[in-house]
Amino acid sequence: EVQLVESGGGLVQPGGSLRLSCTASGFTFSFYWMSWVRQAPGKGLEWVANIRTDGNDNQYVDSVKGRFTISRDNAKNLLYLQMSSLRVDDTAFYYCARDHVGGYFDLWGRGTLVTVSS
Amino acid sequence: DTQMTQSPSTLSASVGDGVSITCRASQSISSRLAWYQQKPGKAPNLLIYEASSLQNGVPSRFSGSGSGTEFTLTISSLQPDDFATYYCQQYNDFKTFGQGTKLEIK
Repeated sequence: EVQLVESGGGLVQPGGSLRLSCTASGFTFSFYWMSWVRQAPGKGLEWVANIRTDGNDNQYVDSVKGRFTISRDNAKNLLYLQMSSLRVDDTAFYYCARDHVGGYFDLWGRGTLVTVSS
Repeated sequence: DTQMTQSPSTLSASVGDGVSITCRASQSISSRLAWYQQKPGKAPNLLIYEASSLQNGVPSRFSGSGSGTEFTLTISSLQPDDFATYYCQQYNDFKTFGQGTKLEIK
């Protein structure tokens, strides 16, 4: 089955760190760009970051630059998002998404909730 | 950055109605626009890409049109499963989403 499954969400204090993982299956992971997209509870969607097929190029939304790092392990079919200096406004569901070469998202995971609170 | 503005924010309609949702870009994005449907507690689902191409498996009652700065998602005859929130997304200049349109049952 073609799917993406996120893990690693949870409760973290402001200023803390967390690493999210996304496990891909059912397709050739190394052929695709990948992205993280987030959604604060009850709010709209926000693209966070993406990464090229070989892992050597990535882009970030301005609000997370210098705090978040996207990476991947093609041998293990894994995508990561390392988050540091977390803020209350980083609270959201974080979705892993397959980033079609054109830049749209044709496969999504179910999401993992990150709550930043003291 | 390219900003995306959807209208209306909320739309009330009945089963069988035809409806349209508009998405406007702050600058030209050619045809680099996608539409998604999201139901409560679920991940978004791709409906349309390249402004008017229907994603595999999406019913033909969904269609997209437009180019440049103005785009439309049309649902020709609403089914009960279509009541959800819809988002547009541009991918010409990084990636940004519209704020969403909630389609409610009248």
